[in-house]
Amino acid sequence: EVQMVESGGGLIQPGGSLRLSCEVSGFTVSMNFMSWVRQSPGKGLEWVSVMYNDDRTDYADSVKGRFTISRDNSKNTMYLQLNSLRAEDTAVYYCARGKWELSAWGQGTPVTVSS
Amino acid sequence: QSVLTQPPSLSAAPGQKVTISCSGDSSNIGDNYVSWYQQLPGTAPKLLIYENKRRPSGIPDRFSGSKSGTSATLAITGIQTGDEADYYCGTWGDKLRLGNYVFGGGTKVTVL
Repeated sequence: EVQMVESGGGLIQPGGSLRLSCEVSGFTVSMNFMSWVRQSPGKGLEWVSVMYNDDRTDYADSVKGRFTISRDNSKNTMYLQLNSLRAEDTAVYYCARGKWELSAWGQGTPVTVSS
Repeated sequence: QSVLTQPPSLSAAPGQKVTISCSGDSSNIGDNYVSWYQQLPGTAPKLLIYENKRRPSGIPDRFSGSKSGTSATLAITGIQTGDEADYYCGTWGDKLRLGNYVFGGGTKVTVL
């Protein structure tokens, strides 16, 4: 059974940093395309970042240079490092499996950027 | 402003058929497969349709997808109260980039 569990969200001041984790069971993270998607309160879905199985990465323009996607193969876990956080980064962050379609999602972890 | 355009809301009586449109252009829908996601209230999105019309295991055949040119459609036949949710279309936005998944703004479906 596929399970994806995000953690690491919370309340953070503008300019601060957080590291989100996505612990995966049921498939191997390093053999899959893995994405992060966020959803601001009451809004739609916004793709944030992707990591390919060959370690290549890409980011939405809105987070490029501030967020970093990575993984720890030994822990079968994805990460999203969030730096220089802004109020507009407030959202629920989901990790998701896949590239052409996002076939499995975690339950999400909320991030609130506020002073 | 979302890259893909969906109607913000739709409503239908139980048992009716609902169709949700998703409009894009030649760089996204016109050149890639479309997926559809269902987000029930307070939950994470779930893949409903992939590769324009294929259903993952466990998705009832009441849900169907189609694509023509730069538009795609999700149809729900015999809609049930449990289908009340937000529905999002998604596709790859630009094949020249490693990553650029784009979503529609979502359609809130209400079952009257």
